[in-house]
Amino acid sequence: KQEVTQIPAALSVPEGENLVLNCSFTDSAIYNLQWFRQDPGKGLTSLLLIQSSQREQTSGRLNASLDKSSGRSTLYIAASQPGDSATYLCAVRRGTGRRALTFGSGTRLQVQP
Amino acid sequence: NAGVMQNPRHLVRRRGQEARLRCSPMKGHSHVYWYRQLPEEGLKFMVYLQKENIIDESGMPKERFSAEFPKEGPSILRIQQVVRGDSAAYFCASSPPGTQGNTEAFFGQGTRLTVV
Repeated sequence: KQEVTQIPAALSVPEGENLVLNCSFTDSAIYNLQWFRQDPGKGLTSLLLIQSSQREQTSGRLNASLDKSSGRSTLYIAASQPGDSATYLCAVRRGTGRRALTFGSGTRLQVQP
Repeated sequence: NAGVMQNPRHLVRRRGQEARLRCSPMKGHSHVYWYRQLPEEGLKFMVYLQKENIIDESGMPKERFSAEFPKEGPSILRIQQVVRGDSAAYFCASSPPGTQGNTEAFFGQGTRLTVV
């Protein structure tokens, strides 16, 4: 059974810092990994999608890496801003026929102005 | 192109009533997934549907919960005889057709169900 763990559970940083969020998963047989952002009381916004054959993806100040063999992914946020404050969720997609996402519990990020 | 639309956004039901949650996938998407997020917890998969077919319902509670995705109209998640423990945010996601699992999932804003 796939399990996804995110560390740390919560993080508070001053504005301008670079930071790394960690995600680990127990079963390396995944199709892809997706990072989401969730604001309080809101839905999920997809940030980055990494296919199992890829090592990293970048979008603006965000960079996500994937090491499938070791079951790890990191989300790097450069020059953090107060608007980055949210919960960040990591999710992995199972293989063919079972395409559901398995989510971690998230990292709650607070960026202090 | 509108995103995944869920309604209602908020739903209050008394214990024992039925709750009906609706999800219209993005245009061109034929795969729908339902997830539940209990307070202070992560999202848990419930069911995966394609048009007129349930593909994977391994996350659905055995009783009171059902889902459908008819040929026409939105996908419906139905909860009969709701209990306080059903209070949660229910999210729908959709993805385009494809033979592999490498497509991106897009989520709706969720329906927040409160059972009083």
